[in-house]
Amino acid sequence: SQQGEEDPQALSIQEGENATMNCSYKTSINNLQWYRQNSGRGLVHLILIRSNEREKHSGRLRVTLDTSKKSSSLLITASRAADTASYFCATVPEDNYGQNFVFGPGTRLSVLP
Amino acid sequence: AAGVIQSPRHLIKEKRETATLKCYPIPRHDTVYWYQQGPGQDPQFLISFYEKMQSDKGSIPDRFSAQQFSDYHSELNMSSLELGDSALYFCASSSPGTGGTEAFFGQGTRLTVV
Repeated sequence: SQQGEEDPQALSIQEGENATMNCSYKTSINNLQWYRQNSGRGLVHLILIRSNEREKHSGRLRVTLDTSKKSSSLLITASRAADTASYFCATVPEDNYGQNFVFGPGTRLSVLP
Repeated sequence: AAGVIQSPRHLIKEKRETATLKCYPIPRHDTVYWYQQGPGQDPQFLISFYEKMQSDKGSIPDRFSAQQFSDYHSELNMSSLELGDSALYFCASSSPGTGGTEAFFGQGTRLTVV
């Protein structure tokens, strides 16, 4: 079964609105990372949050991590059409220590102008 | 800044042929990962190398092999190609550090098996 599972799988919003994507995982982790992927292109690293952190900000991105619930959320504020992409969370299991990133199925975000 | 370079960007092969994908990590990164992403799927971990030694193995078929060379570039060799091998293949590199690592991904090689 997937270590990381994104929710929702698809999200459509208007430009200027906020978008929230959630990720759940099953095992204890070392850290969790969010990536963006434009259609058929490479994965772009967005943000990394470590297991001892609860919240992290980067520009219009806000990531939270709840290790008790084994879940994370990615909030994109004031969305733009250019934010249209698939967003993946990837976890580094606690016993892997950076040797293997486990991706969830991704959320396809569409930001309509 | 230098990024992870993958070549070729696109590759078309026939069934049962062999393909070799190359990955050039970011300078001074000593860990390389290979991922396979099928259409509409999430990336699946294949194999990783640290300091030229295999460090972890995922769902890599026996028909595939990979290695990391002395200059840290890596090659993924795929033999007896099947239609189901059509996918985007990503390489990522990282430099291990305390508390986990951030992986930088290349643009991927799109392999189409016909």
